[in-house]
Amino acid sequence: SAVISQKPSRDICQRGTSLTIQCQVDSQVTMMFWYRQQPGQSLTLIATANQGSEATYESGFVIDKFPISRPNLTFSTLTVSNMSPEDSSIYLCSAYLVQETQYFGPGTRLLVL
Amino acid sequence: KQEVTQIPAALSVPEGENLVLNCSFTDSAIYNLQWFRQDPGKGLTSLLLIQSSQREQTSGRLNASLDKSSGRSTLYIAASQPGDSATYLCAVRSLVGTDKLIFGTGTRLQVFP
Repeated sequence: SAVISQKPSRDICQRGTSLTIQCQVDSQVTMMFWYRQQPGQSLTLIATANQGSEATYESGFVIDKFPISRPNLTFSTLTVSNMSPEDSSIYLCSAYLVQETQYFGPGTRLLVL
Repeated sequence: KQEVTQIPAALSVPEGENLVLNCSFTDSAIYNLQWFRQDPGKGLTSLLLIQSSQREQTSGRLNASLDKSSGRSTLYIAASQPGDSATYLCAVRSLVGTDKLIFGTGTRLQVFP
């Protein structure tokens, strides 16, 4: 079955620092997606990452705060920059894999103190 | 702008009951609709995908229906078990302009023995 992995699974960070989250897909995909899930909330899309081009950010999210890399068709990173407690969330990556079904990684649980 | 709502927000039932979870969306121009399950602190597991041309999909004790014209989908869970306890999310993919999923607010289900 299709697999998406993320690292780290969780982290506790100090405000003002940055964290880079890695996402690995076990097959080549055109688009990868990064979502945020704040405590008790549903998922909100941060950006769509295409290989070889700039990521497309949703309203309310900017590249300076959430820079994304997409160096190849199986890997992407999301950096949460200059963190504040409001950035405490679960961050999830996803991709369309089998038969147009979107699959998700296990998530990265971030706590900012 | 597509908006997705799920009712009820939370549900607690005894084991063995048949359940119906509801999902409604404001724009009927959808490509497909996907139901997910999320266990506490975890990523999302895809349950069922319904294409816009389909009326329903079944997997084991789960049955999802789609009425695109009325902007509704239901997830039917037969003979519920304590292991079904989780948050259930529906998400729609629009027909034009984007490949992203718009998520509903979720239904938190607890099945007690």
